[in-house]
Amino acid sequence: AQSVTQLDSQVPVFEEAPVELRCNYSSSVSVYLFWYVQYPNQGLQLLLKYLSGSTLVESINGFEAEFNKSQTSFHLRKPSVHISDTAEYFCAVSGGYNKLIFGAGTRLAVHP
Amino acid sequence: SQTIHQWPATLVQPVGSPLSLECTVEGTSNPNLYWYRQAAGRGLQLLFYSVGIGQISSEVPQNLSASRPQDRQFILSSKKLLLSDSGFYLCAWSAGTGRNQPQHFGDGTRLSIL
Repeated sequence: AQSVTQLDSQVPVFEEAPVELRCNYSSSVSVYLFWYVQYPNQGLQLLLKYLSGSTLVESINGFEAEFNKSQTSFHLRKPSVHISDTAEYFCAVSGGYNKLIFGAGTRLAVHP
Repeated sequence: SQTIHQWPATLVQPVGSPLSLECTVEGTSNPNLYWYRQAAGRGLQLLFYSVGIGQISSEVPQNLSASRPQDRQFILSSKKLLLSDSGFYLCAWSAGTGRNQPQHFGDGTRLSIL
């Protein structure tokens, strides 16, 4: 069975500082991994996905995530955050019938 | 392009009243459809998913039901709401049953039970 663990429930960081949001997964089958972002009172938006190929995947707004099979991780990183990155971030692994198994979420708070 | 609509955006209902939340998808055919609930400060809980018209799978026992009367319409219902039904309800769709297909979410309905 698949599962996802997001190790930090909250991550406070100052503007322009780097950030890493941690995600570890467990899966007995081939792995497809996703990061979603949720701004207050909105639905989830797909940030990036790992399906196959290059282990480093990037989003259009400067986030990147690296698939590490040996460590069963898919951590999300950004070298310099903005106030507008304040949101909740969810890591997910694909299960059967394309059901997604989500982590509990990490709340990123960017302070000026 | 594909779009997903949920309504209403917010809803306040008394305990014991019925519920109907609607979700429609445009720009795609035969999508997989999903209902999630997000309780305050908690992650997402999958409630129902559907791979076709009239085909509903329930993930957890609860006071809610789902129906898919048309290919791109997904409805979440209850006959009698409980206080514990409060939360943020999200509808999502994905293309087909491939495990590599991401899900795309609507803007959600915030349901408050009084």
